[in-house]
Amino acid sequence: DTEVTQTPKHLVMGMTNKKSLKCEQHMGHRAMYWYKQKAKKPPELMFVYSYEKLSINESVPSRFSPECPNSSLLNLHLHALQPEDSALYLCASSPAPANYGYTFGSGTRLTVV
Amino acid sequence: KQEVTQIPAALSVPEGENLVLNCSFTDSAIYNLQWFRQDPGKGLTSLLLIQSSQREQTSGRLNASLDKSSGRSTLYIAASQPGDSATYLCAVLRGGADGLTFGKGTHLIIQP
Repeated sequence: DTEVTQTPKHLVMGMTNKKSLKCEQHMGHRAMYWYKQKAKKPPELMFVYSYEKLSINESVPSRFSPECPNSSLLNLHLHALQPEDSALYLCASSPAPANYGYTFGSGTRLTVV
Repeated sequence: KQEVTQIPAALSVPEGENLVLNCSFTDSAIYNLQWFRQDPGKGLTSLLLIQSSQREQTSGRLNASLDKSSGRSTLYIAASQPGDSATYLCAVLRGGADGLTFGKGTHLIIQP
C-alpha cells in the first residue's frame, strides 16, 4: 500500500457544526502533515506530527484541532469554522521528518456555509 | 524565511514540444527538493525527489536538475502530451520537521 487515504472527499458544514477529517496511511511513515490549500494558491502547512507527537503548529486558529491516535491515523477536528476556512485540506506523510519525499492524499474539499 | 519562486506562472504550448519549468529558492540549506503535479481540485502527485547531494533525477519523459548552491531547479518535460496539462509545483524541505515550502506553481496547458 503506497497511498494516503483521506475521507470524506467532500464536506459541507455550517458554522455551528462539529466535523472531523480523517487521514490514513499504511506505509509505516512516522511523520504526518496537514496542509490547507485555497484556490489557485500553493498548499500551506498547518500541523506536523512526528512519531505521533505534535511538533509544529503554524499558528492555526483553535477551531482546528489535530489528533494523531496512532502512527497510521491522523484526524483534523473542526468546530465553529468560518466561510473563509473553505479550502482543500491535504494530508501527507513521509518516512521520517527529515530528508524523505512526501506522499499526499487526494484531499478533502471543505465548504463552510 | 525560505521563499520559493516558479517561472513561468503559466505556459501554453502545442503538443510535442520540449518544456523547461523553473524553480528558485532563497535559502540553499535544503534537505531535498520535490516536484509535484496537481490536477484541478485534486491532491498532489509526486513526480521526482532530488536529495540535496544529488544533481538530477529522471523518470520517463521527466528530468529534474538541482543546483543547490545557486538555489535553482529545473523540470524538463520531453515530447509533451495533452495529458501533461496540470499545475506543476516545486517544494523544498529546509529543516527536519519544518514541512515543505511550496512555490506558487506553473499552470501548464498542452494543446492537442
